Amino acid sequence: EAGVAQSPRYKIIEKRQSVAFWCNPISGHATLYWYQQILGQGPKLLIQFQNNGVVDDSQLPKDRFSAERLKGVDSTLKIQPAKLEDSAVYLCAIGGNEQFFGPGTRLTVL
Amino acid sequence: DQQVKQNSPSLSVQEGRISILNCDYTNSMFDYFLWYKKYPAEGPTFLISISSIKDKNEDGRFTVFLNKSAKHLSLHIVPSQPGDSAVYFCAATGSNYKLTFGKGTLLTVNP
Repeated sequence: EAGVAQSPRYKIIEKRQSVAFWCNPISGHATLYWYQQILGQGPKLLIQFQNNGVVDDSQLPKDRFSAERLKGVDSTLKIQPAKLEDSAVYLCAIGGNEQFFGPGTRLTVL
Repeated sequence: DQQVKQNSPSLSVQEGRISILNCDYTNSMFDYFLWYKKYPAEGPTFLISISSIKDKNEDGRFTVFLNKSAKHLSLHIVPSQPGDSAVYFCAATGSNYKLTFGKGTLLTVNP
């Protein structure tokens, strides 16, 4: 089974501040995803990468969210500036039809 | 518009009995369906999947049934164990690998 590391595990910031999350797939895979999971909801896809390129970012709020994937391996997701409604768990996943998730980063925006 | 629906927010069963979790979908383009289990403070863990060309897939205590005409799938856990207590998410995808998740069902298995 694939392994995905994420950091930090928890982050608390004030609204309008910036924050960045990291995803480090332990085992390589061409396709990488970022999901947002708001409390009480299922994960929602934000962006999908195939190697270095973006396949789908239709659900990414591009006025404040940005993401990149370096050398087709690690990835970062950034929020600038954060809003209260961005409080959620941000999950990184790799795979195809069957996707394997990291532990997530829990973001609290105060 | 919720394309994947899990109408039961929670389910409680006795240890050793069967747990049945249900899921409905609306998008006819979905052709691959998955169940994930999630413990607190962890990411979702892949449990079992089924392709639309099948109507049943079994893996140990876990069986997933797919009724394409009704756009309905279910996860059966037999026998249920206390360690199965978690939130279970139903997910669906088409050819683009984009997973669409339901809101989840909290399963509690009582000893």
